[in-house]
Amino acid sequence: KQEVTQIPAALSVPEGENLVLNCSFTDSAIYNLQWFRQDPGKGLTSLLLIQSSQREQTSGRLNASLDKSSGRSTLYIAASQPGDSATYLCVPTQGGSEKLVFGKGTKLTVNP
Amino acid sequence: GAVVSQHPSWVICKSGTSVKIECRSLDFQATTMFWYRQFPKQSLMLMATSNEGSKATYEQGVEKDKFLINHASLTLSTLTVTSAHPEDSSFYICSASAGGTYEQYFGPGTRLTVT
Repeated sequence: KQEVTQIPAALSVPEGENLVLNCSFTDSAIYNLQWFRQDPGKGLTSLLLIQSSQREQTSGRLNASLDKSSGRSTLYIAASQPGDSATYLCVPTQGGSEKLVFGKGTKLTVNP
Repeated sequence: GAVVSQHPSWVICKSGTSVKIECRSLDFQATTMFWYRQFPKQSLMLMATSNEGSKATYEQGVEKDKFLINHASLTLSTLTVTSAHPEDSSFYICSASAGGTYEQYFGPGTRLTVT
């Protein structure tokens, strides 16, 4: 059974810092891995999708890497802003079923 | 990009009544739609997977007679919470997949409060 762990569970940083969010998953048989953000009381916003054959994806200040064989992904946020404050979710898509597996996420607070 | 809408965005209903939530893919055909539930400070939990024209597949522990899912077209799926009770109060989120990349696009969610 796939399990997703995100470290740290919560992170508070001053504005402008570069930061790294870590994710590990137990089953490497995945189609892809998505990073989402969720604001309080809101739905999910897709940030990046990395196919299982890819190593990384970049969008603006965000860069996500994937090491499928070791079950790890990282999300790098450059020059953090208060608007980046949210819960970040690392979500692999299970091979064979399309099911997404959610962990508890990392709650990020960027202080002005 | 692919857009998924949900209606209503929030609903309050009385205990014992039924409520229907709609999930629509606005600019693509969704071969598969998923329904999730999220309790406060908890992770999203998959409730069921539905394919157009087929019966939904429910996750273990989810009552299929209580949570009725209909996926009548490639752009619309509905979740009906029957005989709702206060413990059904939650945030319900749908997602849709067009296949191919197996990327799922999420709706904005529906906040259900049962009084």
